[in-house]
Amino acid sequence: DSGVTQTPKHLITATGQRVTLRCSPRSGDLSVYWYQQSLDQGLQFLIQYYNGEERAKGNILERFSAQQFPDLHSELNLSSLELGDSALYFCASSVASAGSNEQFFGPGTRLTVL
Amino acid sequence: LAKTTQPISMDSYEGQEVNITCSHNNIATNDYITWYQQFPSQGPRFIIQGYKTKVTNEVASLFIPADRKSSTLSLPRVSLSDTAVYYCLVGSFTGGGNKLTFGTGTQLKVEL
Repeated sequence: DSGVTQTPKHLITATGQRVTLRCSPRSGDLSVYWYQQSLDQGLQFLIQYYNGEERAKGNILERFSAQQFPDLHSELNLSSLELGDSALYFCASSVASAGSNEQFFGPGTRLTVL
Repeated sequence: LAKTTQPISMDSYEGQEVNITCSHNNIATNDYITWYQQFPSQGPRFIIQGYKTKVTNEVASLFIPADRKSSTLSLPRVSLSDTAVYYCLVGSFTGGGNKLTFGTGTQLKVEL
């Protein structure tokens, strides 16, 4: 158990819909990262927040957005969903914003878009 | 971030030592080398990180030659539970931001 929690575990929805994925980092970690893992794209970094502020951005679509709240939990919002958005979405956390490659990953949310 | 090259897959038997080599010819001076392990449908798990020479922890060793253009993850006496995908990552992660760039990884299969 990494100490990172993600909800829900599974999510099945239809194209065009909007969903919200939630992540709670390990106690004491200030950075939260979101990754997408699909069969054809592998593990891709989406976005990072540090203590409530966006710190780094990866290949995140404009239909996707994220935020980190004062209690440090984070939400990833996916809108106008397409079939290709079906994937495993992982959240990770770390103590610092930079300087170490050790991140703790949650169990993931499996999103299926029908 | 430096591009990395790893074997796509490796097979081994229980009790053997497994060495997975990663090439990173364009590694920069400030870059560290990090290895992660991932089981199916689970998030990656940090294994080990190093900058040069040799690093050892309770699960693995990391060997980095002087030119740092490659690195080798060594898993002593593997068991069936070590069957997983292993990722080699290279990056400095300074200046704010700490994104990890995962390649295709090496699928290790351990058999009896």
